Amino acid sequence: DVKVTQSSRYLVKRTGEKVFLECVQDMDHENMFWYRQDPGLGLRLIYFSYDVKMKEKGDIPEGYSVSREKKERFSLILESASTNQTSMYLCASRTGLSTDTQYFGPGTRLTVL
Amino acid sequence: GQNIDQPTEMTATEGAIVQINCTYQTSGFNGLFWYQQHAGEAPTFLSYNVLDGLEEKGRFSSFLSRSKGYSYLLLKELQMKDSASYLCAVISFSGGYNKLIFGAGTRLAVHP
Repeated sequence: DVKVTQSSRYLVKRTGEKVFLECVQDMDHENMFWYRQDPGLGLRLIYFSYDVKMKEKGDIPEGYSVSREKKERFSLILESASTNQTSMYLCASRTGLSTDTQYFGPGTRLTVL
Repeated sequence: GQNIDQPTEMTATEGAIVQINCTYQTSGFNGLFWYQQHAGEAPTFLSYNVLDGLEEKGRFSSFLSRSKGYSYLLLKELQMKDSASYLCAVISFSGGYNKLIFGAGTRLAVHP
């Protein structure tokens, strides 16, 4: 059974803190994605990776960075968290075939105070 | 620009049929997905269309018209558990990659 896990379901951080969100998939997928989901805006792509050590900016990369040192793990980093980064963060993975569906993790609800 | 529109909210009665529409304007169209997302949970795959026409899968069907930039998700014999958000997402080829662009989602409430 396909599985994408995220390190935390809920996280509360303070402005200026460095935040790490971890995502692990067990399907040997090449592609991994980080989205944020906000009411009325839908899912917006932050970064994606199509291979180990490779990364590409999505539509809203500002204030974020990523790391993919192993195929199964994709980390999202907020170097200095700000209140406007309070959101639901969803990780997803997919095979190399773009017409295959993405499989999503359960999400991390991050609150920055 | 790239744009995907779907209604924000819909309500329907248990046992009825509901159609959720999605219109899109994107470049490099490579297919359209529908996902279901229950509150507080991850989106899950419902359907994929790349050719014009209707794809039927049990109580759910999805239709695509590429020339009109239009899709709909049809839910039959509605059940209370179908109360969820339904996300329309288009694969768009740009910048050398296929990216999935999501609409804001339609929140469906099914009542007895």
